[in-house]
Amino acid sequence: EIVLTQSPGTLSLSPGERATLSCRASQSVSSNYLVWYQQKPGQAPRLLIYGASSRATGIPDRFSGSGSGTDFTLTISRLEPEDFAVYYCQQYGSSPYTFGQGTKLEIK
Amino acid sequence: QVQLQESGPGLVKPSGTLSLTCAVSGGSINSTNWWSWVRQPPGKGLEWIGEIYHSGSTSYNPSLKSRVTISVDKSKNQFSLKLSSVTAADTAVYFCARDFRRGGYYYMDVWGKGTTVTVSS
Repeated sequence: EIVLTQSPGTLSLSPGERATLSCRASQSVSSNYLVWYQQKPGQAPRLLIYGASSRATGIPDRFSGSGSGTDFTLTISRLEPEDFAVYYCQQYGSSPYTFGQGTKLEIK
Repeated sequence: QVQLQESGPGLVKPSGTLSLTCAVSGGSINSTNWWSWVRQPPGKGLEWIGEIYHSGSTSYNPSLKSRVTISVDKSKNQFSLKLSSVTAADTAVYFCARDFRRGGYYYMDVWGKGTTVTVSS
């Protein structure tokens, strides 16, 4: 099973700042199979990024993804109030399709 | 656009069987997608349970495989989850999701709102 480790566990920033979230895999994952989701309290996850760097439909361009192999990054260039949420990475490289434990992005 | 809606009992007794259904609207379950179940215990992260194709092909998380059955009912445009021998550890919000696969990319792009299942006597 591929283990995804996200860091930091919690990130405290202010609106307008830049957020950098990390997802590290225990073994190499094809970039095609690395996905990022956003989840707000009481809601289902929302697809943000697929293929490590492609934004899903309707996702603002302040969200970007990068990385390859075992190290992937989600960057939010300038935080808006609605961006404060929990972010999960997921891999489809091999079954079971595991998720990271999440990074909580909170308002400082 | 495709929408998903989970339904089923919100309370299940320990050692019983959890049964949920996901109704697909705005599209056909016969499309070239897989359909997944994901759960989230209170205050915790997401766990992939398993998936099904309209042909009936399935793939399960090995950690749950001995207790999980996912099935599809094409006539009703829905798919279902059964989890047997439940314990308090199975208390969670259960989501169904569309597992989109095209152009070499895989991702869950449509999600139900989730349904809370509590295991308690």
